[in-house]
Amino acid sequence: SQTIHQWPATLVQPVGSPLSLECTVEGTSNPNLYWYRQAAGRGLQLLFYSVGIGQISSEVPQNLSASRPQDRQFILSSKKLLLSDSGFYLCAWSVPLPSSYNSPLHFGNGTRLTVT
Amino acid sequence: KNQVEQSPQSLIILEGKNCTLQCNYTVSPFSNLRWYKQDTGRGPVSLTIMTFSENTKSNGRYTATLDADTKQSSLHITASQLSDSASYICVVSVRDDYKLSFGAGTTVTVRA
Repeated sequence: SQTIHQWPATLVQPVGSPLSLECTVEGTSNPNLYWYRQAAGRGLQLLFYSVGIGQISSEVPQNLSASRPQDRQFILSSKKLLLSDSGFYLCAWSVPLPSSYNSPLHFGNGTRLTVT
Repeated sequence: KNQVEQSPQSLIILEGKNCTLQCNYTVSPFSNLRWYKQDTGRGPVSLTIMTFSENTKSNGRYTATLDADTKQSSLHITASQLSDSASYICVVSVRDDYKLSFGAGTTVTVRA
């Protein structure tokens, strides 16, 4: 069966510090991978998606970046965190597109990031 | 602009009672609509999916309906249990696209 691991679960970082959140998927090959941010009272916001190794598409201009060094590994990074980067970050995968009938998004359990 | 509006924002019900959540959307071209359940501090999990040709879908005590003409969907929870306390998110997808439109969710609190 497929599983998705996301860590850490919580993180408190000072403004200006770097960030690295990691997500790995098991049990499936060549998944589409996604990073979302969830703010209180708002819908999930797509930050990045990837259809293959090294292929990253950015949806929102910001000081975050993503990388996919391996087929089932997706990393969210920042060189210098801002206060506005605080939020709940969710990694997800789908095979194939999430608009397909039998292809829901499978989410990790998220990382609660607080920038102080 | 593709949008998904959910109501109410939150609700409190007593254990054993029923409730209905609403979702209105303006998404085109429509592919399908899913309801997700998100427990506090966890990632969302898919409950149901419906295309334009399906007007009802059940998953245990959860029943979703879809009216593609009026672009409305509802999620009905029957005989609520404490474990139903969660946020319920309506998600609409565009045909052949990776992007999804998310509602802000309805937070349901079930009290004993």
